[in-house]
Amino acid sequence: GAVVSQHPSRVICKSGTSVKIECRSLDFQATTMFWYRQFPKKSLMLMATSNEGSKATYEQGVEKDKFLINHASLTLSTLTVTSAHPEDSSFYICSASPGEGRETQYFGPGTRLLVL
Amino acid sequence: SQQGEEDPQALSIQEGENATMNCSYKTSINNLQWYRQNSGRGLVHLILIRSNEREKHSGRLRVTLDTSKKSSSLLITASRAADTASYFCATDRGSTLGRLYFGRGTQLTVWP
Repeated sequence: GAVVSQHPSRVICKSGTSVKIECRSLDFQATTMFWYRQFPKKSLMLMATSNEGSKATYEQGVEKDKFLINHASLTLSTLTVTSAHPEDSSFYICSASPGEGRETQYFGPGTRLLVL
Repeated sequence: SQQGEEDPQALSIQEGENATMNCSYKTSINNLQWYRQNSGRGLVHLILIRSNEREKHSGRLRVTLDTSKKSSSLLITASRAADTASYFCATDRGSTLGRLYFGRGTQLTVWP
């Protein structure tokens, strides 16, 4: 089946630093990728839609200057948490869809971010 | 706000028993999907049911969809300890752009 990877799997950083998370589709091309965040024992919240070759589309309430998304190629999207603060600590998950219909998405294993 | 509301939020059963989880949503949809998540891991797609379908089966999984009530159920038959995980429903809110909106999830624990 289709595989999506994320790097790093976990990261600890100091408050004020920026952290970049990569999402890669390993065996298929994905024109669209999605970024979610998940708090402990909570649901996934869609943050933004990452479109290859164009700007990301952010969900209401998500700060685009805080969470920078770059979809550099058909197999790579990056999420940069800028000037991270403790409240940004969360589990960040990406997904990618291989097909035109976008009905099926494959999720990455997630990145756990802890901001001290 | 999130789309779905699952109940129960937590379910604890013995191996061999059936587990039923429910999901409600508020908007029109094209399809509804169920996912599984093991603790601290990514999501695994279980099953997709379209808005014009009422029931779908996949192995030990049975999903129903009632669009008039805006609700869905996931039944896992003959549960196993390995089924222990969180289960989420997700809808597209009628969009064809691939965005998914998740419910709160049900934490299922299956005791051996």
